[in-house]
Amino acid sequence: DTGVSQNPRHKITKRGQNVTFRCDPISEHNRLYWYRQTLGQGPEFLTYFQNEAQLEKSRLLSDRFSAERPKGSFSTLEIQRTEQGDSAMYLCASSPAGGGRSGEAFFGQGTRLTVV
Amino acid sequence: GDSVTQMEGPVTLSEEAFLTINCTYTATGYPSLFWYVQYPGEGLQLLLKATKADDKGSNKGFEATYRKETTSFHLEKGSVQVSDSAVYFCALGALGRRFGAGTRLTVKP
Repeated sequence: DTGVSQNPRHKITKRGQNVTFRCDPISEHNRLYWYRQTLGQGPEFLTYFQNEAQLEKSRLLSDRFSAERPKGSFSTLEIQRTEQGDSAMYLCASSPAGGGRSGEAFFGQGTRLTVV
Repeated sequence: GDSVTQMEGPVTLSEEAFLTINCTYTATGYPSLFWYVQYPGEGLQLLLKATKADDKGSNKGFEATYRKETTSFHLEKGSVQVSDSAVYFCALGALGRRFGAGTRLTVKP
């Protein structure tokens, strides 16, 4: 397994457009997390899935954001009507069932979004 | 709510120098504590962890001790190498963990 994979690596979009990012977790991991990281800051938690169920959402996840994990495997994060403030690195991580407590979450390299 | 305060950077050291990166936290209960590292061009990697008070996490020569009385989890290494140049993040909590802002370390030969 090559680890957590995120696509695309970079995305430039015009303000007002919709964008969708994809995350492929490590195959046997049933937990998947999305984070946002802005320059000079640490990652901020957005949402978390266990299998296909979205169990937690941060207040940072406005109505323009939606995340899905339809078959409990890959996940997508969609941002509608993008704003310049959405420019950030979007990180995905996965962990096995016991990984949340032990901290063994594996991160992808992220998708860098630039809204112009 | 839970939060992490991390020593501001950047930190520049010479090879073989002693490293300390301070991390303090505010949390209810006794969360697990973590240090993550991000090398240039790579994703975040778990460096070490401690799940209860007085635990010491260690990996690759780095150490951090969970201090409940001072709510701290400072990262230390006795002798840094150029290859340790990276951004280091302190974090707490399990699933939706809170991260510090990160400290960039540059080690010069």
